[in-house]
Amino acid sequence: QPVLTQSSSASASLGSSVKLTCTLSSGRSWDIIAWHQQQPGKAPRFLMKLEPSGSYRKGSGIPDRFSGSSSGADRYLTISNLQSEDEADYYCETWDSKTWVFGGGTKLTVL
Amino acid sequence: EVQLLESGGGLVQPGGSLRLSCAASGFTFRSYAMSWVRQAPGKGLEWVSGISDSGGRTYYADAVKGRFTISRDNSKNTLYLQMNSLRAEDTAVYYCATLYCSSSTCYHDNWGQGTLVTVSS
Repeated sequence: QPVLTQSSSASASLGSSVKLTCTLSSGRSWDIIAWHQQQPGKAPRFLMKLEPSGSYRKGSGIPDRFSGSSSGADRYLTISNLQSEDEADYYCETWDSKTWVFGGGTKLTVL
Repeated sequence: EVQLLESGGGLVQPGGSLRLSCAASGFTFRSYAMSWVRQAPGKGLEWVSGISDSGGRTYYADAVKGRFTISRDNSKNTLYLQMNSLRAEDTAVYYCATLYCSSSTCYHDNWGQGTLVTVSS
């Protein structure tokens, strides 16, 4: 079963950029992942699917400020021009034939 | 617009049962695999169970295997989760979600608002 590792917290200033990391467990560097955002008190929202090539497909209505990239076993979510509403928990997700796995989540604080 | 509306949550005693429902609209329900994901208070997301578009294949996390049963009624556009032998550690918000599946991957791409299940005496 795959394991996804995320830093527990991150912070960045309003208007700046931040890059969040999701690391796949050994032997899974070719996995496709998904990124989800969960604002305080709300349900999760699908942000994008991200492939090992770095190609990504965003969900409906996701601003251009959100982008994805990949390097080896690492999958990145970059948020540019940070807004206050970007303060949220961010989860990565992957799949292994019969199970779905989420990372522990990164709590992003916008300063 | 995809809408997923969960219901059926509430307070239940340890060892008790509860059935969750998820009413779907805005998409062709019978064409999508579906899933339940939960979130314990202050914790992260945990996948619970999934079901194929036809309902012929079901999948469970080890933590709920043998106690929970996922099902769907495509004529009613509704997903269900029957939860038996509930434990305190099952306390969580339960989310219904659609699964986008292709040949190489399968991930959650639409989420409901969730329903709270509290297991306590």
